[in-house]
Amino acid sequence: QSALTQPPSASGSPGQSVTISCTGTSSDVGAFDSVSWYQQHPGKAPKLMIYEVTKRPSGVPDRFSGSKSGNTASLTVSGLQAEDDADYYCSSYAGSSIYVFGTGTKVTVL
Amino acid sequence: EVQLVESGGGLVQPGGSLRISCAASGFTFSTSWMHWVRQAPGQGLVWVTQMDGGGSGTGYADSVKGRFTISRDNAKNTLYLQMNSLRAEDTALYYCARGGYKFAWDLWGQGTLVTVSS
Repeated sequence: QSALTQPPSASGSPGQSVTISCTGTSSDVGAFDSVSWYQQHPGKAPKLMIYEVTKRPSGVPDRFSGSKSGNTASLTVSGLQAEDDADYYCSSYAGSSIYVFGTGTKVTVL
Repeated sequence: EVQLVESGGGLVQPGGSLRISCAASGFTFSTSWMHWVRQAPGQGLVWVTQMDGGGSGTGYADSVKGRFTISRDNAKNTLYLQMNSLRAEDTALYYCARGGYKFAWDLWGQGTLVTVSS
């Protein structure tokens, strides 16, 4: 049950796009279309942004999009806004009733 | 209002036990998969355990298997986490979360802090 690998940080200016990767293995990310993404502001609970790789819950702006290729999933935030400055975590089902989170990425809006 | 409210956290000595709770409201708790996720101070999210709506299906992270037990009382709309043989590395903010989507958590509580220290 090793954590999925994310870059520690990413940044972009307002209006630009940023893409965060989430690398796992053929036993988790590569095995299931189960990757979800969470946004967490300091001192707050996580918020679901993407589920089942590409789907957005109601109320999440379409600036947020997800994709997957092989053992790596990605979250793209287009048209960066100040409120997107936060920590982002990916997660995947890993089989046998087990889940795993990513290491987390701090997104800074410059 | 749809919400989850955790309680029961506190300071416990290494080797000790603690039970934390999560009160659910505003949705059909008895049909919801429920999970515990923890976050050590300044660290990332770590999935801990899950239970299905009926209370028969569970899963545990290797790091807590054999020490932690998840349970629920659907009549009280409450989820529990019994934590035994606690270690310093179990110190974290413990969130309960609803598995509202397949493989994803759509509703989170505010967390309850568990500190394991002598």
